[in-house]
Amino acid sequence: DAGVTQSPTHLIKTRGQQVTLRCSPKSGHDTVSWYQQALGQGPQFIFQYYEEEERQRGNFPDRFSGHQFPNYSSELNVNALLLGDSALYLCASSLRTGPTDTQYFGPGTRLTVL
Amino acid sequence: AQSVTQPDIHITVSEGASLELRCNYSYGATPYLFWYVQSPGQGLQLLLKYFSGDTLVQGIKGFEAEFKRSQSSFNLRKPSVHWSDAAEYFCAVANLNNNAGNMLTFGGGTRLMVKP
Repeated sequence: DAGVTQSPTHLIKTRGQQVTLRCSPKSGHDTVSWYQQALGQGPQFIFQYYEEEERQRGNFPDRFSGHQFPNYSSELNVNALLLGDSALYLCASSLRTGPTDTQYFGPGTRLTVL
Repeated sequence: AQSVTQPDIHITVSEGASLELRCNYSYGATPYLFWYVQSPGQGLQLLLKYFSGDTLVQGIKGFEAEFKRSQSSFNLRKPSVHWSDAAEYFCAVANLNNNAGNMLTFGGGTRLMVKP
């Protein structure tokens, strides 16, 4: 049973560029959440997708956008990259969106903005 | 707004010694609490979770945690630490507000180092 997978593993971009990160949820899961983890900090919630709609959003600017596909996989897009966007981006999946629906995390994508 | 505090940024213990990692939460209702572990360069692995019932919960890898409502705490414990337990540990609480889904709020983490 495959867990949550993310691609790419590492990515280097320059300021002002745009980036797309991808996530495939754990088999049987229909909900995908994205988190940003800056160096030395805990993960921070970006947004959550369920039934191809953004259901909840954290305190992140509109430069951060996402999409969920019919097969439940998801993309995170970041426009106009800033140096401060350098972080580990974690995808988590769950079955449904209730508080008892445990989230399972992928290995993350390390984004470096130069 | 809910919050999670992990007071200890770094902890060093000797292999074989007992371990307790502290977690305090701020939340108005009964919280849904989690402990995750992150090895270097890796994602987060769920150790255990508390939703209701018995306040002492058992997790994987020999870890346990105790929910104490009066102290707003959910401390993680292990009776005997192994060198492979060296990692970063995160406490988290699920947001139970209306339409908030199962968004997690994380603490800042505690980095555990194990001395031989």
